[in-house]
Amino acid sequence: DAGITQSPRHKVTETGTPVTLRCHQTENHRYMYWYRQDPGHGLRLIHYSYGVKDTDKGEVSDGYSVSRSKTEDFLLTLESATSSQTSVYFCAISPRAPYEQYFGPGTRLTVT
Amino acid sequence: GNSVTQMEGPVTLSEEAFLTINCTYTATGYPSLFWYVQYPGEGLQLLLKATKADDKGSNKGFEATYRKETTSFHLEKGSVQVSDSAVYFCALSDLTGANSKLTFGKGITLSVRP
Repeated sequence: DAGITQSPRHKVTETGTPVTLRCHQTENHRYMYWYRQDPGHGLRLIHYSYGVKDTDKGEVSDGYSVSRSKTEDFLLTLESATSSQTSVYFCAISPRAPYEQYFGPGTRLTVT
Repeated sequence: GNSVTQMEGPVTLSEEAFLTINCTYTATGYPSLFWYVQYPGEGLQLLLKATKADDKGSNKGFEATYRKETTSFHLEKGSVQVSDSAVYFCALSDLTGANSKLTFGKGITLSVRP
């Protein structure tokens, strides 16, 4: 299995609070991705990174920001959490385009 | 833009039944195609892939053939097991541009009864 961990695995937070999710890889892969998974929507790309300090928006980026200061870490921040951001968040990595992606175990976030 | 369409679910089968899960796509250029599987409580795992027309991907008894003429990548298995119960996602990788992304279908839940 690809070495990908996500933390925390579960989080409950209140509306309006900031939240940061962490993705850590030990594979030294160039590409990292953040998705959210919701019933009826499948997986939707939030942001991705194609190198240290190089990031771009996905299809559902509003309300989210990301940072990548090291190859191994990709952080997803919800600046002010809303109930619509209750979801399961997955991180994925890929060695190069257009290779397949390898997924982490997910973080279940509940915003009350 | 790119899109992936999967058949509506859920699907419930008896053990040893034949499985077909339909997937069609719309894409510019020549994408790579993938099937991912997600077991309960876990992340997605790559099941199989095909990178060009007429390629057949296979793994764990599952197969899918890249059909460019029908823009399809249907997943098949001859005899399903209870352990195959999971959510299955079809996806394509956009080959245009330097920064490839995956486009996923909505997924379909498969339940296999003993």
